[in-house]
Amino acid sequence: GESVGLHLPTLSVQEGDNSIINCAYSNSASDYFIWYKQESGKGPQFIIDIRSNMDKRQGQRVTVLLNKTVKHLSLQIAATQPGDSAVYFCAENFGGGSNYKLTFGKGTLLTVNP
Amino acid sequence: SQTIHQWPATLVQPVGSPLSLECTVEGTSNPNLYWYRQAAGRGLQLLFYSVGIGQISSEVPQNLSASRPQDRQFILSSKKLLLSDSGFYLCAWSVSTREKLFFGSGTQLSVL
Repeated sequence: GESVGLHLPTLSVQEGDNSIINCAYSNSASDYFIWYKQESGKGPQFIIDIRSNMDKRQGQRVTVLLNKTVKHLSLQIAATQPGDSAVYFCAENFGGGSNYKLTFGKGTLLTVNP
Repeated sequence: SQTIHQWPATLVQPVGSPLSLECTVEGTSNPNLYWYRQAAGRGLQLLFYSVGIGQISSEVPQNLSASRPQDRQFILSSKKLLLSDSGFYLCAWSVSTREKLFFGSGTQLSVL
């Protein structure tokens, strides 16, 4: 079984570098994907989303890439800043009718070193 | 603009005591409402969701229950808390089941 204190995947980068956070999703029928940022003790904050009819979407300093062939999602953060330090979650949305629900990944801890 | 309020921010309760967490949304009508739980260092687990007043869907069998007495109010309850109920509880809302969720600030529940 799982050990107590399961550790999140971590990514450590220098301030000013670009960060890439990866996510493998589980369901080939998922058609909507979201990235969230969660700072310690706070609720998750929406960053960017993408639907399955696209393979790339850009926001302010962030880009999401979707590869449906290998069921892979990535979040790229340009010029990473100390304020970007947080846990990042990907979420996939699948289902049918009124049963669409978001399923969240386990998260990646991003640490930005000044 | 839409806002979501969740309280209290922290709560310490003894085992066997009741629980009531409240969440309200402002600035929108007929939102989908959700309760998630997050164990320390882990992902988010969907507990309940509601697409309308009085409509509650349960995702995980447990000693928790949810109610939606008003359009923009969502309540998470328990009659008798267990140690395993400790965690970070998050309320969220969305326009529809196929849109992004907006989360509240969370309640850190410690059952001792």
